[in-house]
Amino acid sequence: EDQVTQSPEALRLQEGESSSLNCSYTVSGLRGLFWYRQDPGKGPEFLFTLYSAGEEKEKERLKATLTKKESFLHITAPKPEDSATYLCAVQRQGAQKLVFGQGTRLTINP
Amino acid sequence: NAGVTQTPKFRVLKTGQSMTLLCAQDMNHEYMYWYRQDPGMGLRLIHYSVGEGTTAKGEVPDGYNVSRLKKQNFLLGLESAAPSQTSVYFCASREGQTSGGANVLTFGAGSRLTVL
Repeated sequence: EDQVTQSPEALRLQEGESSSLNCSYTVSGLRGLFWYRQDPGKGPEFLFTLYSAGEEKEKERLKATLTKKESFLHITAPKPEDSATYLCAVQRQGAQKLVFGQGTRLTINP
Repeated sequence: NAGVTQTPKFRVLKTGQSMTLLCAQDMNHEYMYWYRQDPGMGLRLIHYSVGEGTTAKGEVPDGYNVSRLKKQNFLLGLESAAPSQTSVYFCASREGQTSGGANVLTFGAGSRLTVL
């Protein structure tokens, strides 16, 4: 059974304080690993897709990396507007659906 | 371009009542999904559809039914609502399977349902 575990459950940082969110996964044949951002009262918004170990993608202050067992979302010099819940999901080869982790709630204090 | 639209946004039901949540997408996507989101449990898949006229069960299908009579619409029904179905429901859609990379989900804004 495909499983995704995210840690920590919640993270509070000061503005400018860099950190990383973790997504550990178990899947037989990864087709893709996804990162989404979710603001309160809204639906998740797509950030990145990673396909194979060693791959990295960046967008503004965010960088996502992938190994065979986990993915990290690195946040460099975050700003208060980066506050959100970050969701990780995996899709197995041949599967029609994604399996999501429980999310990490990130708060950036000014 | 509206993307994925869910109606209603909020609803309060009494135990035993029935209702239907509507999801509409204007991107000509083949695949549509219904998820529920509960605190500490992330997004859990209820039902999904891989094309017009098709439906399939997800991880938590009990107590729900779905229909996809038109490609752009995916309906989620609760025949006899229970307090355990109090949740936020999200609809999502994506393009059909393509060779190579995986496809990205586009989500609606959510429907908050309370069952008393």
